[in-house]
Amino acid sequence: KNEVEQSPQNLTAQEGEFITINCSYSVGISALHWLQQHPGGGIVSLFMLSSGKKKHGRLIATINIQEKHSSLHITASHPRDSAVYICAVKGVYNTDKLIFGTGTRLQVFP
Amino acid sequence: GAGVSQTPSNKVTEKGKYVELRCDPISGHTALYWYRQSLGQGPEFLIYFQGTGAADDSGLPNDRFFAVRPEGSVSTLKIQRTERGDSAVYLCASSLGTGVLPDTQYFGPGTRLTVL
Repeated sequence: KNEVEQSPQNLTAQEGEFITINCSYSVGISALHWLQQHPGGGIVSLFMLSSGKKKHGRLIATINIQEKHSSLHITASHPRDSAVYICAVKGVYNTDKLIFGTGTRLQVFP
Repeated sequence: GAGVSQTPSNKVTEKGKYVELRCDPISGHTALYWYRQSLGQGPEFLIYFQGTGAADDSGLPNDRFFAVRPEGSVSTLKIQRTERGDSAVYLCASSLGTGVLPDTQYFGPGTRLTVL
């Protein structure tokens, strides 16, 4: 069983829809990252969370430490949001390495 | 304002050959990470440097893989006797490495390695 699991693995949406991507983890963490990876492109950090909620433009990330769960929401989705969204956690007891989920592939159609 | 850069962007080699992949971190970042991403998978940790020393190399799959960072900036990932299973995108990231949150990792574009 992976230490970081994401759902769904694949997601398609119509432009304008509200999107939710979920991440569950089984280890103690000091921080959780949401990352975006475009096809053939590098990885961009969207959020780093250790508690609560963060918002940046149309993106919202929440984390529930007790339930070991985080969600990434995209409001008013747009075709340019199409990418792979990856959840990654930084453990409490090990080094600063990140443990990654397998990613959620999002396609937004016009 | 340069980000993390990696060279080459693509590398095709034959089974059994030796390859070197280079990472140039953001200036002033003391922490540097190497990850490997196979097709359809999330990245997997390989090795983490704090300054010149490897603080954690537990992700290196075997002794064919080695990485150095002799002056605490540029790092080279070296793979000996490459195998087809080594084919992947090799990602480098750097961060300030102060040990104080937040310590966001900034990723390079990756090197796509194909072993024929």
